[in-house]
Amino acid sequence: GEDVEQSLFLSVREGDSSVINCTYTDSSSTYLYWYKQEPGAGLQLLTYIFSNMDMKQDQRLTVLLNKKDKHLSLRIADTQTGDSAIYFCNTDKLIFGTGTRLQVFP
Amino acid sequence: DGGITQSPKYLFRKEGQNVTLSCEQNLNHDAMYWYRQDPGQGLRLIYYSQIVNDFQKGDIAEGYSVSREKKESFPLTVTSAQKNPTAFYLCASSLGPATNEKLFFGSGTQLSVL
Repeated sequence: GEDVEQSLFLSVREGDSSVINCTYTDSSSTYLYWYKQEPGAGLQLLTYIFSNMDMKQDQRLTVLLNKKDKHLSLRIADTQTGDSAIYFCNTDKLIFGTGTRLQVFP
Repeated sequence: DGGITQSPKYLFRKEGQNVTLSCEQNLNHDAMYWYRQDPGQGLRLIYYSQIVNDFQKGDIAEGYSVSREKKESFPLTVTSAQKNPTAFYLCASSLGPATNEKLFFGSGTQLSVL
């Protein structure tokens, strides 16, 4: 069946860049999404990329898509403590992976 | 403001008791979803509804029931048959039923067993 895989944890120093990676199996998705979940809260849509794009930049966020390898990444520039959260990539509403917990330390 | 509202924020269940989690949206969305989140396990789909008066089981539907009598509302009942109900429950909605549409989430309900 369809699947999404992410590493569970990422720890970065404040001010550095963070890169969160995702591999997926569903190749039919028109859009690929990144959601952010802060502690004790629901998920919020962070950004998305259309499937015919390779890259999308949105302020401190850069999304890279490699369709051939079915690999999606989210780069956060100048990571701040407020970026500490769980990040989920998503291609299909019915399937979520474990998400990546980003911890930012001073 | 349009949005999706879950209540209560915290809920406690006694042995053998059924409890119902509320989910209401005023976004005029057709599709609604219930997910369960356990620490380190991501989100797992319990039930979803693409249209009023219709719903489908997700991956972990056993021990849960739902109804969709109104477009705005999709309550989830955790029955006594669900032996391990302690988790964070998230409700979401989307404009339509296509699997590739973006989701709007509520703020979640933390269910614990007394």
